[in-house]
Amino acid sequence: EVQLVESGGVVVQPGGSLRLSCAASGFTFDDYTMHWVRQAPGKGLEWVSLISWDGGSTYYADSVKGRFTISRDNSKNSLYLQMNSLRTEDTALYYCAKDIGAAATAYYFDYWGQGTLVTVSS
Amino acid sequence: EIVLTQSPATLSLSPGERATLSCRASQSVSSYLAWYQQKPGQAPRLLIYDASNRATGIPARFSGSGSGTDFTLTISSLEPEDFAVYYCQQRSNWPPLTFGPGTKVDIK
Repeated sequence: EVQLVESGGVVVQPGGSLRLSCAASGFTFDDYTMHWVRQAPGKGLEWVSLISWDGGSTYYADSVKGRFTISRDNSKNSLYLQMNSLRTEDTALYYCAKDIGAAATAYYFDYWGQGTLVTVSS
Repeated sequence: EIVLTQSPATLSLSPGERATLSCRASQSVSSYLAWYQQKPGQAPRLLIYDASNRATGIPARFSGSGSGTDFTLTISSLEPEDFAVYYCQQRSNWPPLTFGPGTKVDIK
């Protein structure tokens, strides 16, 4: 059974930093591109970032580019999101999501964690 | 950036009725469109990808159609568990991958 479990969400002040983690199990982690998707309270979904299976390629939404860094440790079946210079508009539930593509990235999300809540507030 | 619009914002129907949800893209996304279902307090669930392919384990009452800029998600006969918010998402022109604002299907 595929499981994705996010952690690390807390209340942080504007300008602060935070590192989110996602522990993956139930599939061959290093075969898949992984994503972070966020959802502000009561709002829709926003794609944040993706990382290729080997960590060699990363992409970001313009809203987080230069502030957030996605990474992975395939030896630990883990995905990370380093979040710096946090803004109030970064307040959201952050989901870790698995890409559906095995041989090649498909850019759709077939498994999601339950999310970890990041609140940026003074 | 490709902008997706969804209509209607809210669809009020009764169990057993047919639901037709629309997603329109600001430019052609070919067939590179997916649909997700999200229930309160839950993560989204992939229903349809590449416009018309049902994801693993998705019931046959869910179907997707369309190409280019206009897409439809149809639920042939609503079950009680289908009342939720539905999002479309494109992967044609990225980054960014983008989602529509969602359509809420609620009980009439």
